[in-house]
Amino acid sequence: NAGVTQTPKFQVLKTGQSMTLQCAQDMNHEYMSWYRQDPGMGLRLIHYSVGAGITDQGEVPNGYNVSRSTTEDFPLRLLSAAPSQTSVYFCASSPGTGYYNEQFFGPGTRLTVL
Amino acid sequence: GQQLNQSPQSMFIQEGEDVSMNCTSSSIFNTWLWYKQDPGEGPVLLIALYKAGELTSNGRLTAQFGITRKDSFLNISASIPSDVGIYFCAGQLRGNLFFGTGTRLTVIP
Repeated sequence: NAGVTQTPKFQVLKTGQSMTLQCAQDMNHEYMSWYRQDPGMGLRLIHYSVGAGITDQGEVPNGYNVSRSTTEDFPLRLLSAAPSQTSVYFCASSPGTGYYNEQFFGPGTRLTVL
Repeated sequence: GQQLNQSPQSMFIQEGEDVSMNCTSSSIFNTWLWYKQDPGEGPVLLIALYKAGELTSNGRLTAQFGITRKDSFLNISASIPSDVGIYFCAGQLRGNLFFGTGTRLTVIP
């Protein structure tokens, strides 16, 4: 199992550009989520999905879109990048949302918006 | 949003010393978790706590779920150089995680 994979590892964008951060998992997990991590702060939840076709907003959803057409993939889209979106982005997955469902994190995508 | 306050922000300790860090929240959580993050990597789960008052160990790590369900602490005994990293507490609600601000641990050999 590759676990949770994220691409790209690094990305530099100009203000106003759009891009998609990719996340995939091969563990057949129902729950997937996106977090951002800013310097000196913990991870904050952007969007999450409890299964294919179902997505919902987390703490900091503004400026981001998600979709979940398959169980394996959960891409995060930035429609018009802003410098405030400079951050490290982590994708995570878990078997479900109940107790005892450990979330596994990907290695992260470091995004810089100029 | 959920506010989790973690302290201390950073610690410098000698190898072999014990370490203690804690986390408090304005909200009640049903699950408390402790993660470790190494540079350039995602967080990795160390300990999960599922019941108020629960005390759980994982090797040299011990964590407790506060009685009020609004706090938790993590102890690391006899620290070693590979304990270096950032430690995060997290509260879980309906599958979603809310993270503390982290404790950066440096172990001096």
